[in-house]
Amino acid sequence: AQTVTQSQPEMSVQEAETVTLSCTYDTSESDYYLFWYKQPPSRQMILVIRQEAYKQQNATENRFSVNFQKAAKSFSLKISDSQLGDAAMYFCAYRSGSGNEKLTFGTGTRLTIIP
Amino acid sequence: DVKVTQSSRYLVKRTGEKVFLECVQDMDHENMFWYRQDPGLGLRLIYFSYDVKMKEKGDIPEGYSVSREKKERFSLILESASTNQTSMYLCASRYIDRTNTEAFFGQGTRLTVV
Repeated sequence: AQTVTQSQPEMSVQEAETVTLSCTYDTSESDYYLFWYKQPPSRQMILVIRQEAYKQQNATENRFSVNFQKAAKSFSLKISDSQLGDAAMYFCAYRSGSGNEKLTFGTGTRLTIIP
Repeated sequence: DVKVTQSSRYLVKRTGEKVFLECVQDMDHENMFWYRQDPGLGLRLIYFSYDVKMKEKGDIPEGYSVSREKKERFSLILESASTNQTSMYLCASRYIDRTNTEAFFGQGTRLTVV
């Protein structure tokens, strides 16, 4: 079974600085997708960024980028120019490309932005 | 915009009660999911459904059942609520395919069983 590990329960960063959230996963599959979701205090889960395992290029969405290391099974999220609105729980998630539709989540990292 | 709506944001029920959590999506998604979110445990899949009247157990189905009579609606049922089912419940939906289409989530129902 696939597992997703987020080893940082809490992180904090000064406003305008850069922070990296870690995620590792375990799988024997070669075809899969990885996601970072954000859950602000409103509780609405929002997709931040996604990565297809077959793509070598790291995904980027504005201030958010990932460092995808397939061999190491690592998928970290970098947030540049941190803003107060980035404060949230961040979840890393895995989905198989084989037809199993479920998302497997990590335990989450609570990110605090220090003004 | 895709909308996934859960019937309640907060719910308080008594031990032994039968509890229904309702979820409705408006994007004609085939797949629907129920997750439970607990601090330090992340989101864990309870049940999912890939079609009307179809369901599959997730990682923690014990104590729960589901119903999907219409494509847009997916209900989670606690047959006899217990205090260890106090939690945040999240519903999600997405298209069934093999690409990386995202799952969309409802706003969550915080259930307290007393």
